[in-house]
Amino acid sequence: GEDVEQSLFLSVREGDSSVINCTYTDSSSTYLYWYKQEPGAGLQLLTYIFSNMDMKQDQRLTVLLNKKDKHLSLRIADTQTGDSAIYFCAVVHGSSNTGKLIFGQGTTLQVKP
Amino acid sequence: EAGVAQSPRYKIIEKRQSVAFWCNPISGHATLYWYQQILGQGPKLLIQFQNNGVVDDSQLPKDRFSAERLKGVDSTLKIQPAKLEDSAVYLCASSLGPGGEQFFGPGTRLTVL
Repeated sequence: GEDVEQSLFLSVREGDSSVINCTYTDSSSTYLYWYKQEPGAGLQLLTYIFSNMDMKQDQRLTVLLNKKDKHLSLRIADTQTGDSAIYFCAVVHGSSNTGKLIFGQGTTLQVKP
Repeated sequence: EAGVAQSPRYKIIEKRQSVAFWCNPISGHATLYWYQQILGQGPKLLIQFQNNGVVDDSQLPKDRFSAERLKGVDSTLKIQPAKLEDSAVYLCASSLGPGGEQFFGPGTRLTVL
């Protein structure tokens, strides 16, 4: 079945850029998402990219998609302490017409002042 | 606009007991999802409703888990009897339709002792 993998932990200094990586197995995934989860809270959609795009920029967030390598990344520019959270990559299950999401295990981003 | 509401926020039970969770989606959202998030993992879809019908329950352990959305609005998820491995956060999400942006509630943290 579909598998989504992420590195578990990333630590950066405030003001640096953060890059969170994700790989997936199903090449027919149409939409790919990045969610943020703060302690004790639900998931918040940060951004998404459609599979026919290579890059999408939204303020401090840049998403890069390499379809050939099935690799997705999220870059956060000028990382702030408020960006500390768990970041989840999620892809729409390729054969699903229901929008079923497959999530990675999450990357914990620690931002040091 | 009110978000997705869930209750209770926390629940502690002993194994073999029963427990029920409640979810009220965003008004007008036809699609409702229940996810299980085990500590250190990404959310896993348990069941998806379209109005009051089940769209996908392929990963729901049907011998102990049940869910309903009788009037196509609120939903309840029940576990009977609970096992230790059911300890997790149960997230409810809703979207306008299948494949639409999913909005998540804060979750119910279940601890089974």
